[in-house]
Amino acid sequence: GAVVSQHPSWVICKSGTSVKIECRSLDFQATTMFWYRQFPKQSLMLMATSNEGSKATYEQGVEKDKFLINHASLTLSTLTVTSAHPEDSSFYICSASHLVATTDTQYFGPGTRLTVL
Amino acid sequence: AQTVTQSQPEMSVQEAETVTLSCTYDTSESDYYLFWYKQPPSRQMILVIRQEAYKQQNATENRFSVNFQKAAKSFSLKISDSQLGDAAMYFCAYRSLNTGTASKLTFGTGTRLQVTL
Repeated sequence: GAVVSQHPSWVICKSGTSVKIECRSLDFQATTMFWYRQFPKQSLMLMATSNEGSKATYEQGVEKDKFLINHASLTLSTLTVTSAHPEDSSFYICSASHLVATTDTQYFGPGTRLTVL
Repeated sequence: AQTVTQSQPEMSVQEAETVTLSCTYDTSESDYYLFWYKQPPSRQMILVIRQEAYKQQNATENRFSVNFQKAAKSFSLKISDSQLGDAAMYFCAYRSLNTGTASKLTFGTGTRLQVTL
């Protein structure tokens, strides 16, 4: 149980275009989903937190107009990188929080590698 | 703000031997969760073990155990009988129980573990 999927697993796009990444919790309802960015050989940096039906909360320094997050249902969140540029190339990982009793654990998707040419 | 420090960028262990990965953290909170996540070459983040701060007993999951020293703010991971499949990047993570930042994970910089024959 507690499986999170991401689609696509990798994407290459031209500079100036927009790219949408989907994150789905397959066998549980996720009250909260998180989006991370990971550069090569570095740790995960939280970009934003989204709760179903409400606006995402962005971390300091993350451009909300560039990284659009939608969490329309308890099983789906999307991250859209608008007007992508080469510096947006990175590995994007989502996670979903599974409410179990009074605790919750984040389960991670397999990640999406974005390359902007 | 909480910080998590992993002072060992790389570690190496021989197959079947035991290795300990270090993690320290800084917080002013009394209740929180600590986690160890594993990221193999596939980049999929896998939960290894979780510790609740209010529990004095160290968490154990099969070959993985922690040494949680709350006063020292230390949370080390011990891997016994190391296997080739244990080779990965290991991240220590902190989660506050503060409702304002509930579920948000703060990651350390990671320790790359190599397992040799």
